Amino acid sequence: KQEVTQIPAALSVPEGENLVLNCSFTDSAIYNLQWFRQDPGKGLTSLLLIQSSQREQTSGRLNASLDKSSGRSTLYIAASQPGDSATYLCAATSNDYKLSFGAGTTVTVRA
Amino acid sequence: NAGVTQTPKFQVLKTGQSMTLQCAQDMNHNSMYWYRQDPGMGLRLIYYSASEGTTDKGEVPNGYNVSRLNKREFSLRLESAAPSQTSVYFCASSFPIQGSSGANVLTFGAGSRLTVL
Repeated sequence: KQEVTQIPAALSVPEGENLVLNCSFTDSAIYNLQWFRQDPGKGLTSLLLIQSSQREQTSGRLNASLDKSSGRSTLYIAASQPGDSATYLCAATSNDYKLSFGAGTTVTVRA
Repeated sequence: NAGVTQTPKFQVLKTGQSMTLQCAQDMNHNSMYWYRQDPGMGLRLIYYSASEGTTDKGEVPNGYNVSRLNKREFSLRLESAAPSQTSVYFCASSFPIQGSSGANVLTFGAGSRLTVL
């Protein structure tokens, strides 16, 4: 059974600092790895999806890397802003197309 | 474009009561899902429907039933609610990524917060 872990559970940084969010998974036989953002009281919004054959994906200030062999993905957010405050979740898609979610990292960017 | 719409947004039930959570999507997606989210835990899959007319159990199906009414609608029913079912429930739908059979991009609803007393 795929286990997905996100450490730390919470993170607080001053505005302008770069954010590094970690995601680890136990079974390297994944189809893809997705990163989501969740605002309080809202649903999840897909940010980036990395296929198993890719090493990274970029969208604006966001960059996600994937290292299947070590079972890790990292989400980088450059020059953080207060609007980046949210919970970020990663999810690994197994080869049976089921998603396993981490519990998320709650980020607070202080103005 | 509404995306994925869930109703109700909030509900309080007494133990033993029944209720149905409704979900509708207007994106012509084939697959739909019900997840629950509990504090300190990731989302856990309750049931999913790969296409109209089919449903399958996920990780935590006990105490729930689902109906894929048509391509747009996928409902989740609690027949006899228990306090352990207090949670936030999310419906999602998905489409396959082009050129990548099986891999899906999910669109989530805003969630339904259920409290069972």
